[in-house]
Amino acid sequence: GAVVSQHPSRVICKSGTSVKIECRSLDFQATTMFWYRQFPKQSLMLMATSNEGSKATYEQGVEKDKFLINHASLTLSTLTVTSAHPEDSSFYICSASLGGGGNTEAFFGQGTRLTVV
Amino acid sequence: AQKITQTQPGMFVQEKEAVTLDCTYDTSDPSYGLFWYKQPSSGEMIFLIYQGSYDQQNATEGRYSLNFQKARKSANLVISASQLGDSAMYFCAMREGNNAGKSTFGDGTTLTVKP
Repeated sequence: GAVVSQHPSRVICKSGTSVKIECRSLDFQATTMFWYRQFPKQSLMLMATSNEGSKATYEQGVEKDKFLINHASLTLSTLTVTSAHPEDSSFYICSASLGGGGNTEAFFGQGTRLTVV
Repeated sequence: AQKITQTQPGMFVQEKEAVTLDCTYDTSDPSYGLFWYKQPSSGEMIFLIYQGSYDQQNATEGRYSLNFQKARKSANLVISASQLGDSAMYFCAMREGNNAGKSTFGDGTTLTVKP
């Protein structure tokens, strides 16, 4: 299957700083990527849909100024957690698909475990 | 209404036995796909099996099979001959044809395989 690489896998940052997470599709072009957040023992919650060359579409309740998404190329989307606070500590995971239909598989990155201290 | 429902927070199975993880879904879109993922403690999402809404036959992938009952809107995952390495969190997910490729996930089931 296609490969999606997410970096870093783990990051610890101080409260008030910003953290950037990268999501790359290594062997295919992804016009759309998705960012999810997952708390321990819970499900994946969609945060936003990242569209190449246009603004991201955020889910209800997700602060767009807090979680900046940039999809500058067909193989790279970035999520920046700005002015991070301890409550932002979570597991963030991206996915990309080869198409937008219901029958296309989504490929996931390895995830990033963010700890804000 | 929740789109994906997994009613079993935790399941136990004896090694080498089969186990069924339940998943029901809700959609009005005639075109959709149902997916099962395994998430070990490392956090990565491992794709297991896919079932399309128009597929006539139940999907199978090695020890994994999907019991697709369209009229009941259920897509249960069956793992045969359980192995210790199967212990993980399992998520059922749906992608609807008219929803721009978004995946909706259930709450997950934690499977523990006992030796």
